[in-house]
Amino acid sequence: DVKVTQSSRYLVKRTGEKVFLECVQDMDHENMFWYRQDPGLGLRLIYFSYDVKMKEKGDIPEGYSVSREKKERFSLILESASTNQTSMYLCASSPGPGTLGRLSSYNSPLHFGNGTRLTVT
Amino acid sequence: RKEVEQDPGPFNVPEGATVAFNCTYSNSASQSFFWYRQDCRKEPKLLMSVYSSGNEDGRFTAQLNRASQYISLLIRDSKLSDSATYLCVVTRPTGTASKLTFGTGTRLQVTL
Repeated sequence: DVKVTQSSRYLVKRTGEKVFLECVQDMDHENMFWYRQDPGLGLRLIYFSYDVKMKEKGDIPEGYSVSREKKERFSLILESASTNQTSMYLCASSPGPGTLGRLSSYNSPLHFGNGTRLTVT
Repeated sequence: RKEVEQDPGPFNVPEGATVAFNCTYSNSASQSFFWYRQDCRKEPKLLMSVYSSGNEDGRFTAQLNRASQYISLLIRDSKLSDSATYLCVVTRPTGTASKLTFGTGTRLQVTL
């Protein structure tokens, strides 16, 4: 079974703090994703990575950065936390073209971590 | 117009009822379709993929209508344990990877 582990389940930080959210997957997946989920807005993609040291902006990258130094680890960084970044953050992974072939990788579902509920006060 | 739209519900149904959800998508280049289930305060988990010919998994049936650009999920003989939010997910290729877009979810509450 795929395991995606997020380092913290609950986190409380102060405005202006630098925040690191860590995500590790154990299935050698190429693709990794960071989403945030807010009531009424659903899941929104912040950043994703399809290979080590590669990253691409999602739909709402402002105020965030990411790091993928190793294949199994994808970190989300809030450079200066703000109250509007209070949310549930979900990391996910999926096999990429290297594992499944290009077309198959488009059809592979996501495996999610159990989420980090971040509160910024 | 949102890329993926769902009726947020809630759908309140008695145990044993049949319930159906629809999800519409706006981009005709969309390639893959999924239904995820999300329990309260938990992460989304894959319920089933949606294939062009339609597919069934026990009490759950998924259908795809490319002409009208919607997918559906039918749950027969609802159980209390089916209470959850159901998210539809649509993917389309963007070159280096596929872009997944989630609907905001439809909440189902099954009651005695």
